[in-house]
Amino acid sequence: AQKVTQAQTEISVVEKEDVTLDCVYETRDTTYYLFWYKQPPSGELVFLIRRNSFDEQNEISGRYSWNFQKSTSSFNFTITASQVVDSAVYFCALSEVGGATNKLIFGTGTLLAVQP
Amino acid sequence: EAGVTQFPSHSVIEKGQTVTLRCDPISGHDNLYWYRRVMGKEIKFLLHFVKESKQDESGMPNNRFLAERTGGTYSTLKVQPAELEDSGVYFCASSQDWRGYGYTFGSGTRLTVV
Repeated sequence: AQKVTQAQTEISVVEKEDVTLDCVYETRDTTYYLFWYKQPPSGELVFLIRRNSFDEQNEISGRYSWNFQKSTSSFNFTITASQVVDSAVYFCALSEVGGATNKLIFGTGTLLAVQP
Repeated sequence: EAGVTQFPSHSVIEKGQTVTLRCDPISGHDNLYWYRRVMGKEIKFLLHFVKESKQDESGMPNNRFLAERTGGTYSTLKVQPAELEDSGVYFCASSQDWRGYGYTFGSGTRLTVV
């Protein structure tokens, strides 16, 4: 069965600290996609990144970086020099490839609070 | 380009009443999805439309939930009769690509059943 685990329920940091959000996934598929979404206080889910299972290169986008390791089934997300605007709930998600639906399997989310 | 629009944004109803949630996808997106997040748990898939057809409704919790997509445009999700455990945030998403790329979510409808 597919499953995504975000063990950190809440994280609180002070502005300018670096923070890493953990994501561990389970799947029997060899081809799949991994995602991160941000849910700010306004409520919408904002797409941050998609990574396919064949691409283990780490990605950096500004202050955001992602570390994908198939050996440990992890897809961790790091925010460097956090800012108050980063405060949100962050969801990691998994999607199978090849099915008719490719629904997203989400983790329970990590609430990040960045204090000024 | 307008995003995915959901309304109402909030709804408070009594147990046993009926509520209808609406989702307007991005124009031209054939794929429309409903998801739900209940009480701090994970966001769970409910169903997937391709145009007006239900592609996968394996996540619908029970027959009190009815989803429709008229003419392949907007979709409604009706809960009748509502129960306390139906409280949560209902998200709609649409995409052109069925593989999950380009998923765009709406802001969700927060449903509270009292």
